[in-house]
Amino acid sequence: SYELTQPPSVSVSPGQTARITCSGDGLPKQYAYWYQQKPGQAPVLVIYKDSERPSGIPERFSGSSSGTTVTLTISEVEAEDEADYYCQSGDNSRGVFGTGTKVTVL
Amino acid sequence: EVQLVQSGAEVKKPGESLRISCQGSGYYFTNYWINWVRQMPGKGLEWMGRIDPSDSYTYYGPSFQGHLTISADKSISTAYLQWNSLKASDTAMYYCASGPNGEFFDYWGQGTLVTVSS
Repeated sequence: SYELTQPPSVSVSPGQTARITCSGDGLPKQYAYWYQQKPGQAPVLVIYKDSERPSGIPERFSGSSSGTTVTLTISEVEAEDEADYYCQSGDNSRGVFGTGTKVTVL
Repeated sequence: EVQLVQSGAEVKKPGESLRISCQGSGYYFTNYWINWVRQMPGKGLEWMGRIDPSDSYTYYGPSFQGHLTISADKSISTAYLQWNSLKASDTAMYYCASGPNGEFFDYWGQGTLVTVSS
């Protein structure tokens, strides 16, 4: 089965940069997407097609791709960025989410 | 404005049946696939399956095939997730999600909490 693996947690100080990786064998062939989920809320799309940012998402959120790994980068982290982050990939017949990463702002 | 509005929280006993709903508005309902996503307590997101409301063609994730049914009624812009016999392990928050690109999800419902307990 198709799996996407993320680190369980990332800790970062305010103003620093957080990088969250997502690894999967299918990623060289398929786009990756990233969602932010805060406690008690539905997920929100923050990056689509590896590196595109939806309207309304701050510029400090960016995405990149290299081989079987995609990366979500949060620059100049703010306290409000503390949340769970999930990568997602798939095609028109199926979807799959990554294992999720909890970002803690120290 | 695109909105997905889900039905309210449910408390059921093991073995009971259940159908929860997701109503779309602000767009042509048949233009976007509806996906269902499970989140068990304290756990991550799991893609369950999707339906094309224009013809009700469905895909299911391998962990969910055979245990539940995804359907849609395009006349009332509503998609459904249905169980015939709930288990305690079905206790979770269930989200519907959609968007113009079938591969990712711009829009999410508010979630429906399903609790299965004897």
